[in-house]
Amino acid sequence: GAGVSQSPRYKVAKRGQDVALRCDPISGHVSLFWYQQALGQGPEFLTYFQNEAQLDKSGLPSDRFFAERPEGSVSTLKIQRTQQEDSAVYLCASGTGTGYEKLFFGSGTQLSVL
Amino acid sequence: DQQVKQNSPSLSVQEGRISILNCDYTNSMFDYFLWYKKYPAEGPTFLISISSIKDKNEDGRFTVFLNKSAKHLSLHIVPSQPGDSAVYFCAASGGDMRFGAGTRLTVKP
Repeated sequence: GAGVSQSPRYKVAKRGQDVALRCDPISGHVSLFWYQQALGQGPEFLTYFQNEAQLDKSGLPSDRFFAERPEGSVSTLKIQRTQQEDSAVYLCASGTGTGYEKLFFGSGTQLSVL
Repeated sequence: DQQVKQNSPSLSVQEGRISILNCDYTNSMFDYFLWYKKYPAEGPTFLISISSIKDKNEDGRFTVFLNKSAKHLSLHIVPSQPGDSAVYFCAASGGDMRFGAGTRLTVKP
């Protein structure tokens, strides 16, 4: 597709449930970022890939969060045993991976944990 | 630890006037700075950027200024239009990319 695609658009989970959020980056884009955006806040960095390599996962809030990009294209962000504080919009962005790159964002997945 | 700060959560200006949005950063390793614009229910979209070797970059009605010694950048919109009403995020890159909390701009007709 022409842009970054994220699915599902909305996800409601019961506390304790596992969820998986998908990101399809722009074709050919090398870098892929995940961000968490709470209501009224800016995007908070979670993790970053160059191709299939996860170069930085320092923003993942706990070991319940796991991200992968096994073939260097599609990425999945998995949250195990969801908690209410995980409720947020999860944004995926991709870029060319060259210096001074701008990122292209998807519309996000809004996760609500009840 | 907020490495990128936007201290004004909101700004309201009259149509045709100048809008000035401000951003401060703490990490001297950042070498590329961007502004993104966000409408409700959409992801942020790139607006304008500047590298650390410059102090100004202009694109139509949008100009970004960078003051490296003060670790400060600003976005000027002249003239402001009602369609500019959105949330504006400042971002800084030094490998990964970090965002400020955003400033909601409202341009009144």
